[in-house]
Formats: sequence, structure tokens, C-alpha cells
Amino acid sequence: NAGVTQTPKFRVLKTGQSMTLLCAQDMNHEYMYWYRQDPGMGLRLIHYSVGEGTTAKGEVPDGYNVSRSTTEDFPLRLLSAAPSQTSVYFCASSIETLAMNSPLHFGNGTRLTVT
Amino acid sequence: SQQGEEDPQALSIQEGENATMNCSYKTSINNLQWYRQNSGRGLVHLILIRSNEREKHSGRLRVTLDTSKKSSSLLITASRAADTASYFCAAFKAAGNKLTFGGGTRVLVKP
Repeated sequence: NAGVTQTPKFRVLKTGQSMTLLCAQDMNHEYMYWYRQDPGMGLRLIHYSVGEGTTAKGEVPDGYNVSRSTTEDFPLRLLSAAPSQTSVYFCASSIETLAMNSPLHFGNGTRLTVT
Repeated sequence: SQQGEEDPQALSIQEGENATMNCSYKTSINNLQWYRQNSGRGLVHLILIRSNEREKHSGRLRVTLDTSKKSSSLLITASRAADTASYFCAAFKAAGNKLTFGGGTRVLVKP
């Protein structure tokens, strides 16, 4: 059982370039999330989805786009990368809303450096 | 400061000793969760404690929650080298559907 799979594991971008971080889960979870992790700051929510066809903004959405065309996939797009987007990005999923005491299942992350 | 702050930031202990880390939060919550992160990996869920619970156990892990002090603690008993990781608390507030992570406690268990 693969769980949450993120690709790529590492990427270096130049300022202004675009890229898509891929996330796929095989647990049939309705809820999916994108977080970024910066040193000493914990994880901050970028965007999330409560089901196929839905997306919503999190705490730090600027500079990022998401879509949810299938239950399994939740790609994160950087349209014009900036050095401030250098971070480790984590995708997560949950079977139910967090209000139902449902824990998050995380992928192994994508380490992105923007030069 | 943000909801869900861990203390200490780093902890170094010998194998076999107990490790205790604390988490404080600022507003009322619905549940508090603890996660472990090994180097270069994603977070793994350890325990979820609801706001109406005071203590919860899972194997060598014991979590307490004191809503009057807005704090939680995670105790790892009889630590092993494999427990070396960063540990994060995350406070969930249903109003606003907001889960807020702390900055983590780095635990080093020396063999």
C-alpha cells in the first residue's frame, strides 16, 4: 500500500520558472492538503481540498495554484518561482474532515530550492 | 507566537531514559495531535487526544492534555535509538477548520 506519493523528491528552479509538484494517494481519501515546512516554523497550510472538484486556500496560498480533478491526485503548481518559495513541501490526506478527529497521512516531501 | 509551540526545541538523552516534551497552545481546541518526523521523511501520526480527554497511551507513548493550562505533553518511555526524530504537536480548532503545527522538538537518543 503506497499511501501518499510525492514526486519529485528534489528540484532546483531558477527565479521565474514554473513547475508542478505531484501528489497521489491510493487510500480513497476525500481530503487532501499541501503544506510547506520551513526551519523552526512548523508546517503551514498552502491549499486544501475537501473532495474531487473542490479547492480552498490555506494560510499561505499566494504564488501557488492547485486543482483536484480526481480523488487520487492533488498537484501543486508554482507559476513563477521566487526564492521565498524555497522550502520542503508536503502533501497529506485524511479520510474524513479534521473535525471528525481524522489524522493526516503525509507523503515524504519535495525539497525545492529556488535560486 | 503561533498556536502549538513545543518545548524544548531539542532534547538529547541516553537509550533507556524517558523523554518528555511539551506543547502549548493559545485558544480553545477540539483535539491535539502528535506527529513524528524522521530525517528526510514525512510526518507520521502518533496520537490524537480529544479536548474532553486528559490522558492517552499508545505503546511506550503517553500523552496528557490540560485544557485549563492550554498545554499537552508527550512522554516516550524507555527510549530507543530508533526514537531519534523530530516531534510535532498540532492543535485543531473546528471553528475555521484550522490545524496549526508547532515548530517541533528534535530528540536525539544516544545508544
